[in-house]
Amino acid sequence: KAGVTQTPRYLIKTRGQQVTLSCSPISGHRSVSWYQQTPGQGLQFLFEYFSETQRNKGNFPGRFSGRQFSNSRSEMNVSTLELGDSALYLCASSLSGYRTDTQYFGPGTRLTVL
Amino acid sequence: KNEVEQSPQNLTAQEGEFITINCSYSVGISALHWLQQHPGGGIVSLFMLSSGKKKHGRLIATINIQEKHSSLHITASHPRDSAVYICAVRTDTGNQFYFGTGTSLTVIP
Repeated sequence: KAGVTQTPRYLIKTRGQQVTLSCSPISGHRSVSWYQQTPGQGLQFLFEYFSETQRNKGNFPGRFSGRQFSNSRSEMNVSTLELGDSALYLCASSLSGYRTDTQYFGPGTRLTVL
Repeated sequence: KNEVEQSPQNLTAQEGEFITINCSYSVGISALHWLQQHPGGGIVSLFMLSSGKKKHGRLIATINIQEKHSSLHITASHPRDSAVYICAVRTDTGNQFYFGTGTSLTVIP
């Protein structure tokens, strides 16, 4: 089975722009979670989707949003980019998102905001 | 206030040494995960624990729910074990994820 894929892998944007990142889960996985990783804050949970519904959300401003499609692919969007949004954005998929499911991580999208 | 604390932050070991990384948490959890991150960013889930102990090859993970503490042990460490090891918990209420700041391990040949 192919692993979790994320596109694009690298992205450079300027302040005020918006960005959309994509995540394709492992075939058969219905849960997708998104995380932000920065040198200062480490890994932080953004949100979790299951069957096209946001099931869980971390403590991020409303500029961060996401969605999941019927084929379980997910996108996250960040509007009005700020310098502090520069980070590695990781998505992870699991079969059902059940509390004890193993998560499989994608390679990440490295976003740089200038 | 950090919900998950890891120690040590950095660790250097000689090849073959026995290594322990500790994780303490302050919230109620449904599961605890140990993750490995290599340079370049890729993350691999090593263990998911809700109780007891798990072993995979040279890696052993334990959890004490009453003490809210988990340990990751690496026996006979090898340079390829060099990575950042991250402890993460999933809360039992609110279903949130919290992460430790990671332990950077370097194993010297």
